[in-house]
Amino acid sequence: EAQVTQNPRYLITVTGKKLTVTCSQNMNHEYMSWYRQDPGLGLRQIYYSMNVEVTDKGDVPEGYKVSRKEKRNFPLILESPSPNQTSLYFCASSTRDRALRTYFGSGTRLTVV
Amino acid sequence: KQEVTQIPAALSVPEGENLVLNCSFTDSAIYNLQWFRQDPGKGLTSLLLIQSSQREQTSGRLNASLDKSSGRSTLYIAASQPGDSATYLCAVGGTGANNLFFGTGTRLTVIP
Repeated sequence: EAQVTQNPRYLITVTGKKLTVTCSQNMNHEYMSWYRQDPGLGLRQIYYSMNVEVTDKGDVPEGYKVSRKEKRNFPLILESPSPNQTSLYFCASSTRDRALRTYFGSGTRLTVV
Repeated sequence: KQEVTQIPAALSVPEGENLVLNCSFTDSAIYNLQWFRQDPGKGLTSLLLIQSSQREQTSGRLNASLDKSSGRSTLYIAASQPGDSATYLCAVGGTGANNLFFGTGTRLTVIP
């Protein structure tokens, strides 16, 4: 079954404690990205990757890092989380030519206290 | 920067009604447009994908249209069912980096 898997689903952490949200896809997609969803603002792109070792900033990259060492994995790293990063996070993947639909993970609800 | 607007923000209809959800975008230079469904506690599921050269796509009771020149798309749901209750999101694919610009969604409730 084609899927994007994110972990954890829920996370509560304290300000400044580094955390990683993992994302993995089983469709051999070249393109992967991270979004955050906030009430009234919709989904906004944080970072994206066109392929292994190729990453770039989206619309709201401040406070986040990513890496793409393998095609299937695209972890999101918060080195020093702050309360304004409390949000619902989604990982997504698609083919590079965008001819087919985009797949999203089930989301990670992060609370930073 | 591309801005995507969805109206209405919420909609309640009785079961069996046909309904239309609206999406408008400010920049007509788009690559494609997708309609997604989001259920509480779950991720987004792409329902329909329309390439910029296409005018519409159909899947079962769903039909999505695209008018690029006027910056509009509609999602038509025929014979609505309670299981259609969810938030529907419109997302425009940009021509540059593979980004999706999302609207804030329409929360649909279908009343049995």
